[in-house]
Amino acid sequence: TQLLEQSPQFLSIQEGENLTVYCNSSSVFSSLQWYRQEPGEGPVLLVTVVTGGEVKKLKRLTFQFGDARKDSSLHITAAQPGDTGLYLCAGAQAAGNKLTFGGGTRVLVKP
Amino acid sequence: KAGVTQTPRYLIKTRGQQVTLSCSPISGHRSVSWYQQTPGQGLQFLFEYFSETQRNKGNFPGRFSGRQFSNSRSEMNVSTLELGDSALYLCASSLSAGNYGYTFGSGTRLTVV
Repeated sequence: TQLLEQSPQFLSIQEGENLTVYCNSSSVFSSLQWYRQEPGEGPVLLVTVVTGGEVKKLKRLTFQFGDARKDSSLHITAAQPGDTGLYLCAGAQAAGNKLTFGGGTRVLVKP
Repeated sequence: KAGVTQTPRYLIKTRGQQVTLSCSPISGHRSVSWYQQTPGQGLQFLFEYFSETQRNKGNFPGRFSGRQFSNSRSEMNVSTLELGDSALYLCASSLSAGNYGYTFGSGTRLTVV
């Protein structure tokens, strides 16, 4: 069974601070996807990382895929209240037609 | 273009009943996946359909079933509902394999009483 461990489970920070969310597994994934989910809505794709060691930036968000394609991190610089939400990492198998989700990190950015 | 549409948004059913949920994927997307989201278990994969064929199935009992039509629309059915089936059911679509990401619908919130 492939498992993705996300940490921390909950983060509460002040506006302007930085934060990092981690996603770890003992399994290799063909891709690692990050989603953000708001209450009452479905997850929204933020980024997909495919190559080991890959780093992608999306404005103030930086995503990294581990060299061995088993772990990933999401770093937010100068967080804003609009970054509040549930962040989910999800790993895709080689066939790509099933996602294994981490437990999620609930981020609260206070103004 | 229109996103993934799930109907209904909310549903209340009695234990023992059955329910059918509907999902219309993004136009041109042929892969439709279903996930169950609960506070305790998070997001868990139910099944995935591509061109009317089930390609992958999660670890759920046979009470959970699905199908996909020729226009890529999909339905999932849960029979003999149990209290533990209360959850947010999410549908996601992608062009083919989902290696590069999925588009999720807003979900159907099912409450079993």
